[in-house]
Amino acid sequence: QITLKESGPTLVKSTQTLTLTCTFSGFSLTPGGVAVAWIRQPPGKALEWLALIYWNDAKRYSPSLKSRLTITKDTSKNQVVLTMTNMDPLDTATYYCAQERVLSNWFDPWGQGTLVTVSS
Amino acid sequence: SYVLTQPPSVSVAPGQTASITCGGNNIGSRSVHWYQQKAGQAPVLVVYDDSDRPSGIPERVSGSNSGNTATLTITRVEAGDEADYYCQVWDSSSDHWVFGGGTKLTVL
Repeated sequence: QITLKESGPTLVKSTQTLTLTCTFSGFSLTPGGVAVAWIRQPPGKALEWLALIYWNDAKRYSPSLKSRLTITKDTSKNQVVLTMTNMDPLDTATYYCAQERVLSNWFDPWGQGTLVTVSS
Repeated sequence: SYVLTQPPSVSVAPGQTASITCGGNNIGSRSVHWYQQKAGQAPVLVVYDDSDRPSGIPERVSGSNSGNTATLTITRVEAGDEADYYCQVWDSSSDHWVFGGGTKLTVL
């Protein structure tokens, strides 16, 4: 069974850097055509794709947030980490991680999500 | 960048059929995926590659894609189908993933 779980601070201040960790089980980010993505959802709003990292360490970023995002992986710990710099209250959202099987281009399954609130 | 357009809301009576559209330029040439998100929960994949269903998704849920519109269809709608539904594609030209704005399905 594949599971993913997000962890990190629930509250950050404006201009601070957010670091979120996705810890997963049931698969590994070793060669095998798997990737992990981060997606966020502001309260009452739509889903927004943020970043994705492949098993081979290739990375993709949302063009609108690319300058603020870094995605990395720790294969030994089965973790993917997302950092977002210069946080703003508009970044208040539930942040999800999800698996993508390469060449599928869909996300399944998803973690439960973690709500991050940015105070001004 | 590629844009997906969904109606904000769709309402349907129990037992009827709900159709949720997702518009995009020549979307019929892309693979469209659909997610169901119930209140307070994470999204769940309900249709992938236009019309395939993951295991556990009932046959009442189906998808189609042609021209500039993809459609998620739910027949014999139940109260438990009430949720937000999102379409999603991979934009090959930019190698990015795109979501629609979401549609709230209300069961009357």
